[in-house]
Amino acid sequence: DIVLTQSPALAVSLGQRATISCRASQSVSISRYNLMHWYQQKPGQQPKLLIYRASNLASGIPARFSGSGSGTDFTLTINPVQADDIATYYCQQSRESYTFGAGTKLELK
Amino acid sequence: EIQLQESGPGLVKPSQSLSLTCSVTGYTITSGYDWSWIRKFPGNKMEWMGYISYSGSTNYNPSLKSRISITRDTSKNQFFLQLNSVTTEDTATYYCARSGYGSYHAFFDYWGQGVMVTVSS
Repeated sequence: DIVLTQSPALAVSLGQRATISCRASQSVSISRYNLMHWYQQKPGQQPKLLIYRASNLASGIPARFSGSGSGTDFTLTINPVQADDIATYYCQQSRESYTFGAGTKLELK
Repeated sequence: EIQLQESGPGLVKPSQSLSLTCSVTGYTITSGYDWSWIRKFPGNKMEWMGYISYSGSTNYNPSLKSRISITRDTSKNQFFLQLNSVTTEDTATYYCARSGYGSYHAFFDYWGQGVMVTVSS
C-alpha cells in the first residue's frame, strides 16, 4: 500500500497563509500526471473535493485554495485563510489502489 | 443535481453482516463512473473499501476481499455494500461516493452524507 503521511494539526491566524503537506511512501506520479487529490471535511459533513491531480481546482472551490507537488511531496495552500476554512484536510492517492492520509486539522492560532 | 444517500442499520452485532444501500439521484449509475464505498473510523482514518463500475464490474480493497461484496439494482439506481463477519473494528461512518474511471480520474467528486454504523452486542 502507498502510505500518505500528514501532520496531525496546523495552527494558523485568519488572513494568513496555511500550507498543508502530504508525503507519499512512493511516487504517485505517472508521466506528467500527479495522482494526488485533496478534500476538506467539517464535523458532521461529508468530505468535499478541493483539488484533483495535485493542482486542479474542483468546481465551485474558491481560488484561495491551490495545490502543488509531484512525485512523493505535495502541498495544499490556503491563502488567505478564512474562518470557514477551519476543518480537517485529507490527501488521497490513486496511483495504486486508493489510500488516504490521516488528515490535518486546521486550527486557529 | 447529483445526490447520494446512504441508508441501513446503525447497529450490527459482532459476527453478523453489515448491509448498506446507496441511493443515487440526478445521475444514472450505468451511464458512467465508479461507485465506491469509503469508511471513516473513529480517530479519522479513512479507508476505501471498493467500487462497482458503471458496467457492473467490481474492485475491492485487498484487505477486505474475503468479506466484502458490492452489488447494484439498476432499476432503482442503487448500489449496495455487504460486509460479512463484522467485528468491533468495523465500527465507522460509511460513505458512498462517485469517482471517475481509471487512476487518472479516481478522485471522489460526489459523496453521500454518511451513515454511522456501530458493531456491538
